[in-house]
Amino acid sequence: EDQVTQSPEALRLQEGESSSLNCSYTVSGLRGLFWYRQDPGKGPEFLFTLYSAGEEKEKERLKATLTKKESFLHITAPKPEDSATYLCAVDLGNFNKFYFGSGTKLNVKP
Amino acid sequence: NAGVTQTPKFQVLKTGQSMTLQCAQDMNHNSMYWYRQDPGMGLRLIYYSASEGTTDKGEVPNGYNVSRLNKREFSLRLESAAPSQTSVYFCASIADSYEQYFGPGTRLTVT
Repeated sequence: EDQVTQSPEALRLQEGESSSLNCSYTVSGLRGLFWYRQDPGKGPEFLFTLYSAGEEKEKERLKATLTKKESFLHITAPKPEDSATYLCAVDLGNFNKFYFGSGTKLNVKP
Repeated sequence: NAGVTQTPKFQVLKTGQSMTLQCAQDMNHNSMYWYRQDPGMGLRLIYYSASEGTTDKGEVPNGYNVSRLNKREFSLRLESAAPSQTSVYFCASIADSYEQYFGPGTRLTVT
């Protein structure tokens, strides 16, 4: 049973076209939800941690939000350099064991 | 600071061969992790170590062993490689702030 589901699998945007990525989770006892960016051939790079429903975090053109069952990564006026795979992960409080979604591959065209 | 380093970067093994993937971090983190990443499946936890001297199984531990050599180093061993272990392997460590830092990965092919 999938605990973390990301959608869409792939997203193509024109430069400047804002959109959102979704991460939904079907678990209880969420201790934290995390967003990462992964460039081809590299390890994931930490972006945000969200702990409770209603929380928001921002970094440049990215904003992450959290509800009781899902998180959104909003990308405002994206640029080609935002192209990457975005991963979300949850920590169920089981001593820092993280469960990752399969990611959304974002391609921003100039 | 080098962060998290992994060796080797690439490896090709024949079925049945053994090898050890090395990982080291210089950030004084207590917890370290080994993941594998396969296309369409995201990252899956193989083993983790909450502190020096302790290790525990993750989601997919079968066919692997680990050693937490000291606070800096956490190695992953494949005793008898199988084609199903063809994957990209990432080591990570976690800061007190909950930020997880990943190494650059080892790309392993088992033929």
